[in-house]
Amino acid sequence: GAVVSQHPSWVICKSGTSVKIECRSLDFQATTMFWYRQFPKQSLMLMATSNEGSKATYEQGVEKDKFLINHASLTLSTLTVTSAHPEDSSFYICSASLMSEAFFGQGTRLTVV
Amino acid sequence: AQSVAQPEDQVNVAEGNPLTVKCTYSVSGNPYLFWYVQYPNRGLQFLLKYITGDNLVKGSYGFEAEFNKSQTSFHLKKPSALVSDSALYFCAVRAFISGNTPLVFGKGTRLSVIA
Repeated sequence: GAVVSQHPSWVICKSGTSVKIECRSLDFQATTMFWYRQFPKQSLMLMATSNEGSKATYEQGVEKDKFLINHASLTLSTLTVTSAHPEDSSFYICSASLMSEAFFGQGTRLTVV
Repeated sequence: AQSVAQPEDQVNVAEGNPLTVKCTYSVSGNPYLFWYVQYPNRGLQFLLKYITGDNLVKGSYGFEAEFNKSQTSFHLKKPSALVSDSALYFCAVRAFISGNTPLVFGKGTRLSVIA
């Protein structure tokens, strides 16, 4: 199947700094990618829809200025957590679809200290 | 709006026994249903999907699921559980077949297979 690569797998950062997470579709092009957030023992909550060449669409309650999404090419979307705080610590997962099937990155464990 | 319910937080089964992980859905129009498995600190791995056709769908690692339109269910099953099947399982639905719409996930069911 298609492969979605997410980097880094884990990151620890200090409060107030910014962290960038990359999501790449390795063997297919994706005009749309999705970013999810997962809290411990909970489901995946959609944060935003990343659209190549245009602005991302954010879900209600997600701060656009805190979670910056850029989808500059058909194979790369980035999520930047700006001015990170401990409450931003979470597991972030990206997804890209090929035909009707969704493929997921391996996730990024973000810990803000 | 579409939604998915996984009524069980945890399912315990003995190795070698059949397992069932339940899922019901709500969607206007035709549902496109998926099952994914997640191991600790990992992304989601695709197990199977129902788009159209036979109600019994066979997927990866010996898993299968039965689409039941009248009961709006899509339960995941396996005839003989393995310890290595222990993981977190998510049912998901999409209202449109297009990959440009996101999946809506259930809360997940933790499967524990005991040797």
